[in-house]
Amino acid sequence: GAVVSQHPSWVICKSGTSVKIECRSLDFQATTMFWYRQFPKQSLMLMATSNEGSKATYEQGVEKDKFLINHASLTLSTLTVTSAHPEDSSFYICSAKSAGGNSNQPQHFGDGTRLSIL
Amino acid sequence: AQSVSQHNHHVILSEAASLELGCNYSYGGTVNLFWYVQYPGQHLQLLLKYFSGDPLVKGIKGFEAEFIKSKFSFNLRKPSVQWSDTAEYFCAASPSGGYNKLIFGAGTRLAVHP
Repeated sequence: GAVVSQHPSWVICKSGTSVKIECRSLDFQATTMFWYRQFPKQSLMLMATSNEGSKATYEQGVEKDKFLINHASLTLSTLTVTSAHPEDSSFYICSAKSAGGNSNQPQHFGDGTRLSIL
Repeated sequence: AQSVSQHNHHVILSEAASLELGCNYSYGGTVNLFWYVQYPGQHLQLLLKYFSGDPLVKGIKGFEAEFIKSKFSFNLRKPSVQWSDTAEYFCAASPSGGYNKLIFGAGTRLAVHP
C-alpha cells in the first residue's frame, strides 16, 4: 500500500515551454503533498508544501509564479514549470502524506521526474 | 539555517563488513530524525525514524540508528551488510515535528561488493 505515482518519469522539452508533472496517491488520500528538487550529488530541497483545496506554501527562494502547484483533489497534485529554461533542468520528486489524524503520518515518495530543458 | 549533513558521499564495502553512516543536524529544538533509502531505480523508502524515547532505534532490514542529542548526531549502523544493501541513503530531519517539512542531507551512496 501507500503508492505514489509520478508522471512523466522523464521529459525533455525546448526552452520556453511549460511542463506539467503529476503526482498521484494511488491507494490512499493525501491531504498534504510535498514537492522537492534534487540537483546532482545534492540533497532533496523542499520547494513547496501543497494542501488539498488551498494555496501551496513555498519555501524561501522558490518562485511561485515559476513553479505553479495545484492540489485540486485528495489524490492529485500537479507541478507546472512555466517558461522552462535550462537552469530548471533537475530531478523533481513528490511525496504525499496520508489524511491521518495527526502529523505522524509518513511521507510516501514518488519515483521522481527528470526534467531536461534544451 | 537548519541543515543536515552526511559525512560520506561514497562508501564501498565488502559483504559482511559493518556499516556506519554519519549524520549531523543543526537545530537546537525538538527534532524528529529519519533515515531513508533509495535502491537503484526505486523511490525513497523509510528505513527508520526517531521521534522520542529510546535513542537507539531499530528499522527494517537490520538497520539501526542512535540519536545522540549532545552531538546532534543520528548515525546509521548495520553490523553486516549484504550486496542487496547497495543503495543511496539519506538522513533527514523534521524540525517542526512529525513528517512535516523534511530537511535532507546530501545522501551517501553505498556500494557493497560480493
